[in-house]
Amino acid sequence: ETGVTQTPRHLVMGMTNKKSLKCEQHLGHNAMYWYKQSAKKPLELMFVYSLEERVENNSVPSRFSPECPNSSHLFLHLHTLQPEDSALYLCASSQGASGGYTFGSGTRLTVV
Amino acid sequence: GIQVEQSPPDLILQEGANSTLRCNFSDSVNNLQWFHQNPWGQLINLFYIPSGTKQNGRLSATTVATERYSLLYISSSQTTDSGVYFCAGYSGGSNYKLTFGKGTLLTVNP
Repeated sequence: ETGVTQTPRHLVMGMTNKKSLKCEQHLGHNAMYWYKQSAKKPLELMFVYSLEERVENNSVPSRFSPECPNSSHLFLHLHTLQPEDSALYLCASSQGASGGYTFGSGTRLTVV
Repeated sequence: GIQVEQSPPDLILQEGANSTLRCNFSDSVNNLQWFHQNPWGQLINLFYIPSGTKQNGRLSATTVATERYSLLYISSSQTTDSGVYFCAGYSGGSNYKLTFGKGTLLTVNP
């Protein structure tokens, strides 16, 4: 596979559930990102990992927990979410902060 | 952080028409990029263009860094060009935060 792969593509979860989003990049990049895209809002950066260390945590609630076990994989663990957390969650990767970004197809999350 | 403004917010074209999308920045930026988001949510990187001009088929982009703006040109538009076009940049340093504009929603009618 090439590029950035996200799974699942769609997810419906209850407010008491625990689920995880997965992102995998096959580009040899050293930085990975989670973005949130809500209706009528610009893309919001959630987390950044560079060389497997978290370098940005953009005031995200603790019910979102990222994990980066290696430079190719990034997870977003979800628990006790709220309906307003329903959104498109996008993963991206780049080579350093100044490299071009490649995005995955996103996970469309619905919290019921 | 930097502010990114895109114009117009919405644009409707007939197939075959040309268009220009604009992106203004509040401060000097590095890593200026243009993206196209299709109706299924996929964000495709169109150009990485901190300065100068690049062309890729019917699309071209120009960034004038000294004047803090970038332009995306779409020529002979097709219905598959429909979607949202975003520009994004960051102000450098150790901050990896790429700031996105609100996008231009382009609709190309047959």
